[in-house]
Amino acid sequence: QLVLTQSPSASASLGASVKLTCTLSSGHSSYAIAWHQQQPEKGPRYLMKVNSDGSHIKGDEIPDRFSGTSSGAERYLTISSLQSEDEADYYCQTWGTGIRVFGGGTKLTVL
Amino acid sequence: QLQLVESGGDLVKPGGSLRLSCAASGFIFSDSYMSWIRQAPGKGLEWVSYISSRGGTIYYADSVKGRFTISRDNAKNSLYLQMESLRAEDTAVYYCARETLAAGAFDYWGQGTLVTVSS
Repeated sequence: QLVLTQSPSASASLGASVKLTCTLSSGHSSYAIAWHQQQPEKGPRYLMKVNSDGSHIKGDEIPDRFSGTSSGAERYLTISSLQSEDEADYYCQTWGTGIRVFGGGTKLTVL
Repeated sequence: QLQLVESGGDLVKPGGSLRLSCAASGFIFSDSYMSWIRQAPGKGLEWVSYISSRGGTIYYADSVKGRFTISRDNAKNSLYLQMESLRAEDTAVYYCARETLAAGAFDYWGQGTLVTVSS
């Protein structure tokens, strides 16, 4: 079964960096994922697609502060030089034939 | 400028029906794969349904299979979700989203429309 696992919460200080993790279920470590950001009271916004080889393709106008990497079944989103507007929920998402799946989301608090 | 605008959300009684629409602009809609995703109050994102560019391939989440029907009208650049036998647990903001050309990742989202199922 295709499942994505995320930590419910994370926090980091203004100006610092944070690395969020999304873990693919067993047998699915070759899957690409996408990262989406949802700021409070707003709809989601696509950030990037992260492939199993660590390459990533960002969406339109996504700042360079956002980057994606990969290791085994884990996919990462790193945000550097944290700003107050980065405080948001971050969801990973993947797909297979007949299915699209979201992780439970990570709530990022900027201290 | 690419835009997706949902409409049709409303308060409906359990067992009732509702039809959501998503108006697309700024891209070639007829070449795009589309999905509906929902978010219950205070909860995470849940994928609901997918339709291929010409409508020949359709998928549903188990939670809505047999009750919801996705469709599209490429001449009108519009995506639809017909919802029947609505339940309280269908209460959510419903988003339409476009998938990337490589398929799978949602690269553009609408602002959402609220569906409330309550007596």
